[in-house]
Amino acid sequence: SQTIHQWPATLVQPVGSPLSLECTVEGTSNPNLYWYRQAAGRGLQLLFYSVGIGQISSEVPQNLSASRPQDRQFILSSKKLLLSDSGFYLCAWIEGPGELFFGEGSRLTVL
Amino acid sequence: AQTVTQSQPEMSVQEAETVTLSCTYDTSESDYYLFWYKQPPSRQMILVIRQEAYKQQNATENRFSVNFQKAAKSFSLKISDSQLGDAAMYFCAYRRGNDMRFGAGTRLTVKP
Repeated sequence: SQTIHQWPATLVQPVGSPLSLECTVEGTSNPNLYWYRQAAGRGLQLLFYSVGIGQISSEVPQNLSASRPQDRQFILSSKKLLLSDSGFYLCAWIEGPGELFFGEGSRLTVL
Repeated sequence: AQTVTQSQPEMSVQEAETVTLSCTYDTSESDYYLFWYKQPPSRQMILVIRQEAYKQQNATENRFSVNFQKAAKSFSLKISDSQLGDAAMYFCAYRRGNDMRFGAGTRLTVKP
C-alpha cells in the first residue's frame, strides 16, 4: 500500500535561518506531489506542485522554494525564514484521477 | 483560477442530530472532482467523501452524504446522527487535473 511521510514533524527556527522539510512517498511511482501551507485556523494554500523529477510549479511567489530530486521525494526549502512562514505544512500526492493523500504534516514556528 | 467558498466559518450541532455544511465553487469546466476532507485536532487530513462531476447521483458514505448541484456549482455535506468524533475542521475541495483547491474550512462543534 502507498504511504507518505513528512519530517520533521515539529520545527522551531529563528528568523533568517534556513529551512528544509522533506516528504517521501512509498508504494507508488511517478506521483503528482504537492506542498500546502495552513496558517493557524485557516484553510490550505497551495504552494508548489510537481508532476515529475525536476518539474516544479509555483503558485505563490515568496521566499520558499521546492525541489524534486527523486521520483518519490519532494523538498520544501527556504534560505532565510520570515515570521510569516510559520504554519502547518502538508505534503500530499495524487496518482490517477482520485483524491489527494496527505502526510502527517510539519508544524513550523519561526521566532 | 478556480475558487472554492465555504461561507460558514463555524457550525454547531447537537449529538445525534443532522447538520449540513455548505460549499460553492467556481469553474468553467464540466469534468472535475469534488471532495470533503475532515481535519481533527491531530491535523491529519482525512477524506470523507468524493463526487465525480459527471455522476448525477449524490455520493453517500455511511452517515455522510452530499447534495451536488452542478448547475448551481454547489456541493454541500450532510452529516446524519452526528457523533462527538465528528467534531473537526471540514474542508471542501475541487480538483481538475493537477489543480486542486480548498475552501477556507468550517469548524464543526458537536454538543453532547
